[in-house]
Amino acid sequence: GQSLEQPSEVTAVEGAIVQINCTYQTSGFYGLSWYQQHDGGAPTFLSYNGLDGLEETGRFSSFLSRSDSYGYLLLQELQMKDSASYFCAVGNRDDKIIFGKGTRLHILP
Amino acid sequence: GAVVSQHPSRVICKSGTSVKIECRSLDFQATTMFWYRQFPKKSLMLMATSNEGSKATYEQGVEKDKFLINHASLTLSTLTVTSAHPEDSSFYICSASTGALQETQYFGPGTRLLVL
Repeated sequence: GQSLEQPSEVTAVEGAIVQINCTYQTSGFYGLSWYQQHDGGAPTFLSYNGLDGLEETGRFSSFLSRSDSYGYLLLQELQMKDSASYFCAVGNRDDKIIFGKGTRLHILP
Repeated sequence: GAVVSQHPSRVICKSGTSVKIECRSLDFQATTMFWYRQFPKKSLMLMATSNEGSKATYEQGVEKDKFLINHASLTLSTLTVTSAHPEDSSFYICSASTGALQETQYFGPGTRLLVL
């Protein structure tokens, strides 16, 4: 079967750095994506890792280790507007994307 | 670029009626569109995968006769909730993929359905 594990909640301070981990189990793994969703809104795409390593996009970076079935999303210089839920998602050879349960990020001033 | 619209954004209907939700890719052609359902503070649950010109592929446990999906063109997919009941109340989100691997999906703003 397929499964993704990520923490349900993380709390960090404004201006700090936070890492949200994701471990997955799936057959025919293609890539790991990250999405951000604010309350009441739809998810927005943040990043994608198809190969091992780090992908950087501004304040956000995402990492993948295929051998460990593990990835993380790194958010730097946290801002209050980053308070949201973050979902990791895996794509597989069946052309489906399965989402994790989401990590709710709380940012303290 | 890669904008997806959804209409309506919010709908309230009586039990037993049908509701149609439209999903459009505005500035690109989407080979595949996806329909998700999300309960409050929960993850997105994939309901079905829709390819233009062919029948939708439904996930296990999703009633295809209740959730009718039509993908009439490369820019439009519709989800019709037939004979809606209060338990169908949810946040329905569509997404569209621009690539063969669906590694990135662009989401519509969602439709909040309330069935009374």
